[in-house]
Amino acid sequence: AQSVTQPDIHITVSEGASLELRCNYSYGATPYLFWYVQSPGQGLQLLLKYFSGDTLVQGIKGFEAEFKRSQSSFNLRKPSVHWSDAAEYFCAVDTPLPFGNTGKLIFGQGTTLQVKP
Amino acid sequence: EPEVTQTPSHQVTQMGQEVILRCVPISNHLYFYWYRQILGQKVEFLVSFYNNEISEKSEIFDDQFSVERPDGSNFTLKIRSTKLEDSAMYFCASSEGKRGTTYEQYFGPGTRLTVT
Repeated sequence: AQSVTQPDIHITVSEGASLELRCNYSYGATPYLFWYVQSPGQGLQLLLKYFSGDTLVQGIKGFEAEFKRSQSSFNLRKPSVHWSDAAEYFCAVDTPLPFGNTGKLIFGQGTTLQVKP
Repeated sequence: EPEVTQTPSHQVTQMGQEVILRCVPISNHLYFYWYRQILGQKVEFLVSFYNNEISEKSEIFDDQFSVERPDGSNFTLKIRSTKLEDSAMYFCASSEGKRGTTYEQYFGPGTRLTVT
């Protein structure tokens, strides 16, 4: 069965510092990969996705992620973190099938980002 | 920008009661989903729905759960007889398609269900 691992439950970075959130998946082929952000009391907002092509994808709010097939990873990065980035971040995958994806997103446990002034 | 909306934002119910959670997906989207997030746990898939049928459901989605698209805009999740363990945040999502560039699931703000 597919699984998604976010090894870091909680990360603290200083404002202006760079950020990398890790995501590893287990699946034989290349899945569709997503990063979502959830601010306190809010729903899930899509930051970016990857399904094919250039392995470095750009998203909203200055985030990017790199797909590395050899490492089964899809890590999220931001060069300079802002205090408003404090939130919970979820990596998710879906299985591509010939007729389309399953529609069943499998989520990681989430990483809580705290930003120090 | 179009968004998924959900009502109510918070529902409190007694064990054994029926609840209906409502969602209005983005208007040109064809695929609809429900997820739940128990406090402190992962977001879990419940069910996907397309063309007035369930496409896929998880083990959580047992006979106590049902989904419906009663009209052209609403998408509902019904829990027939709520249990304490149904307390969670329930998210509705929708996508335009299920492959390529059209496959992005947009989530609503959630309904917090509290079963007492």
